[in-house]
Amino acid sequence: QKEVEQNSGPLSVPEGAIASLNCTYSDRVSQSFFWYRQYSGKSPELIMSIYSNGDKEDGRFTAQLNKASQYVSLLIRDSQPSDSATYLCAVAGSGYALNFGKGTSLLVTP
Amino acid sequence: SAVISQKPSRDICQRGTSLTIQCQVDSQVTMMFWYRQQPGQSLTLIATANQGSEATYESGFVIDKFPISRPNLTFSTLTVSNMSPEDSSIYLCSADAGLMNTEAFFGQGTRLTVV
Repeated sequence: QKEVEQNSGPLSVPEGAIASLNCTYSDRVSQSFFWYRQYSGKSPELIMSIYSNGDKEDGRFTAQLNKASQYVSLLIRDSQPSDSATYLCAVAGSGYALNFGKGTSLLVTP
Repeated sequence: SAVISQKPSRDICQRGTSLTIQCQVDSQVTMMFWYRQQPGQSLTLIATANQGSEATYESGFVIDKFPISRPNLTFSTLTVSNMSPEDSSIYLCSADAGLMNTEAFFGQGTRLTVV
């Protein structure tokens, strides 16, 4: 069974700090990795994708991938209260359907 | 990114009835996906819908309960049949182009309550 694991949180960080969200996955053939943000009552919104080992930066967001350790993370720099949401890690294997983790709830306090 | 329109956005249905959810994409896509998100839970894939072929269902989901249509490259429907309160959930349509490294986007979801 393909598993995507995340700490459910809540992860609480003060405004302006770095939030670090982590995800591990079990399927070694996984090729594509995504982070989605989901506000309460809304559908998931894609914020980052990463396909190869290393770091990928986009504005305040950095995704990190380590396929050997089967680990993917998301760093949010200069966290803002508007970043408070649930962050879903999603993994795609040889097919194109996504396998989602349960999500980490992030709370950024003013 | 593709814009995905899903309707209805919410509905309250009587048990034993069926509801069809529509998903329209503003561009042609190879694959469309239907997910369920139960309260406080993550997304669970129901099925993958390719144009011109039968949908592929995940373990625990069957065609008789969740029939899917994919008549063209921009449209799909999911029907929730013979509903029970356990079917109360958010149903989400997703699409991508089916190419390597392509990102997936979601419709706004359908919040279904079965009473």
